[in-house]
Amino acid sequence: GENVEQHPSTLSVQEGDSAVIKCTYSDSASNYFPWYKQELGKRPQLIIDIRSNVGEKKDQRIAVTLNKTAKHFSLHITETQPEDSAVYFCAATDTGGGNKLTFGTGTQLKVEL
Amino acid sequence: DTAVSQTPKYLVTQMGNDKSIKCEQNLGHDTMYWYKQDSKKFLKIMFSYNNKELIINETVPNRFSPKSPDKAHLNLHINSLELGDSAVYFCASSQAASDTQYFGPGTRLTVL
Repeated sequence: GENVEQHPSTLSVQEGDSAVIKCTYSDSASNYFPWYKQELGKRPQLIIDIRSNVGEKKDQRIAVTLNKTAKHFSLHITETQPEDSAVYFCAATDTGGGNKLTFGTGTQLKVEL
Repeated sequence: DTAVSQTPKYLVTQMGNDKSIKCEQNLGHDTMYWYKQDSKKFLKIMFSYNNKELIINETVPNRFSPKSPDKAHLNLHINSLELGDSAVYFCASSQAASDTQYFGPGTRLTVL
C-alpha cells in the first residue's frame, strides 16, 4: 500500500515569510496529490491539488510542486498571514487500494505576528 | 447549502453502548467515505462506498458497520463502544476515487 511521509510536523514562521511543507510517497503509480487545510475544530478543506501529468500548479499565494522521479511533492505558501495558521495534510492516491487517499501525518503551521 | 452534513456533531456515551452517526451529501457524488481522526490528528480511512457498494474496508473492528441506503447517504453504526473509539469521525464524498473529497463537519465521539 501507499506510504506518505510529511515534514515538518510543526512549522513556525513570521508573518510575511514563506512556508514550505514536504511530502514523499511510495506508490509510483499514484496520480493525484491533494493538499488539505484543517483549522482548529473544523473539517479538512482542499486548498490545492496536482495531478501526475503536471509539475507545478499555483493559486495566488499557494503553489504545489511535484517531482515524480523522486516521488515527492511540496506545498509552498508565500507572504504568510495569521489566518494561514492551521494543520496542513498532504495526500496521495493508493492505486493498489481502490484508489483511496493516504494522508500524511499533518503539519501544524503557526504564523506569528 | 450544506454539501456534506453529519449528525450528531457531538456524541458522549458510556462504554458498551451502541451508537450511530449519519452522513448525507447533496453533491450528487458517487463515492462516500468514513475517516477516523484521532487525538494526534492522524486521518485514517475506514470505509468507502461507491454507489451503495462497499469498495474499501480497512482493518477496522467488526464492531464498526457502515450502511449506505442510497448513494447520497452513508451511516456508521458502532457496537459495544470502547474507550479507544473516542475520536472525531469525518464523512466525505467525491465524484470518483481520484477526485476532490469534500468533508463533513465531523462527529466528535467521546466514550466514557
